[in-house]
Amino acid sequence: DARVTQTPRHKVTEMGQEVTMRCQPILGHNTVFWYRQTMMQGLELLAYFRNRAPLDDSGMPKDRFSAEMPDATLATLKIQPSEPRDSAVYFCASVSTRMNTEAFFGQGTRLTVV
Amino acid sequence: AQTVTQSQPEMSVQEAETVTLSCTYDTSESNYYLFWYKQPPSRQMILVIRQEAYKQQNATENRFSVNFQKAAKSFSLKISDSQLGDTAMYFCAFILGGSQGNLIFGKGTKLSVKP
Repeated sequence: DARVTQTPRHKVTEMGQEVTMRCQPILGHNTVFWYRQTMMQGLELLAYFRNRAPLDDSGMPKDRFSAEMPDATLATLKIQPSEPRDSAVYFCASVSTRMNTEAFFGQGTRLTVV
Repeated sequence: AQTVTQSQPEMSVQEAETVTLSCTYDTSESNYYLFWYKQPPSRQMILVIRQEAYKQQNATENRFSVNFQKAAKSFSLKISDSQLGDTAMYFCAFILGGSQGNLIFGKGTKLSVKP
């Protein structure tokens, strides 16, 4: 049963600490998206990669957020330093644009910054 | 740039009745895909239905069906025989075909099914 795996599922951290979220896309999927979901803003696209190359990260606050895809099986989203306003659920999704599949979502990381 | 608009922030329906959720989109491309995702309180994003733009026939999945009007750029979701388990946020989404573009979501419609 292929699925997108996100870790950790929950994270509580103090303001100023570094947070790293990880995503393992479905094997063979060539596109990975990072979304942030809050009650106020809905689903915001932060960044996405195709064939491991970053295509668009205009949705990310550049001074504190960074996204990487060191290999085809791992995407990371890092926040340094974290702030209370970063509290949200962060979703990763993967797609095979070659096969025109729908996006498969991970279960999300619920981040709370206190 | 592509956009997706869901004009109904909240809707409610009585159990066993039918409800239609609206979605409009904007694109100048002809090759694209449309989706409806359901997000129950568990927060898991679940695909409800997908539609290929090149297909004229409206997609159906059991009690879920779409009304795809390509010229009007409209993609509404009809839920028949609503069940309590259908209570969720519903998101309309768009992606260009091939290796183009990103997956764009509407703001969502919160659907409540009442007993």
